[in-house]
Amino acid sequence: KQEVTQIPAALSVPEGENLVLNCSFTDSAIYNLQWFRQDPGKGLTSLLLIQSSQREQTSGRLNASLDKSSGRSTLYIAASQPGDSATYLCAVHASGGSYIPTFGRGTSLIVHP
Amino acid sequence: DAGVIQSPRHEVTEMGQEVTLRCKPISGHNSLFWYRQTMMRGLELLIYFNNNVPIDDSGMPEDRFSAKMPNASFSTLKIQPSEPRDSAVYFCASSSRAPLSAKNIQYFGAGTRLSVL
Repeated sequence: KQEVTQIPAALSVPEGENLVLNCSFTDSAIYNLQWFRQDPGKGLTSLLLIQSSQREQTSGRLNASLDKSSGRSTLYIAASQPGDSATYLCAVHASGGSYIPTFGRGTSLIVHP
Repeated sequence: DAGVIQSPRHEVTEMGQEVTLRCKPISGHNSLFWYRQTMMRGLELLIYFNNNVPIDDSGMPEDRFSAKMPNASFSTLKIQPSEPRDSAVYFCASSSRAPLSAKNIQYFGAGTRLSVL
């Protein structure tokens, strides 16, 4: 059974720092991996989706990398801002074609001015 | 577009009562998903519809849970009878593509916070 772990569970940093959020998964046979952002009291917003054949995806100040063989993905946030404060979740789809993603518990990020 | 609309935003009910959660997906989206989020279990996919047809309901926890999508603009998730352990935030999401497509982006509603006393 696929398990997804996110470390750290919580992070508090001053504005301007570059951040790395980690996501690890136990079964490397994945179809894709996706990073989401969740603001308090709201649903998820998709940030980046990496197919299993890809190594990384970039969007603005965000960069997500994928190392399928080691079961790891990282989300890099450059020059963090208070508006980045949210919970960040990763989710993987197994390569067997299941529609059911496995989510990590998330990293709660606070960027203070 | 108004995005995915869920109602009610909050629901408080007593054990044994029937609960119906509602979702209006984004117009033109043909995939719809119901999720449940709890502190204990995190975020879980309950059921996935494509073109109003349930494709995968393996995440539905028990027979007390049922979901319908009578048309492309409306879906319900029903719990009957409800139990305290059903307390959670239930999210609906929609997408214009199938879940495993390279461009799959799901748009989430704000969720319904359910408390069963």
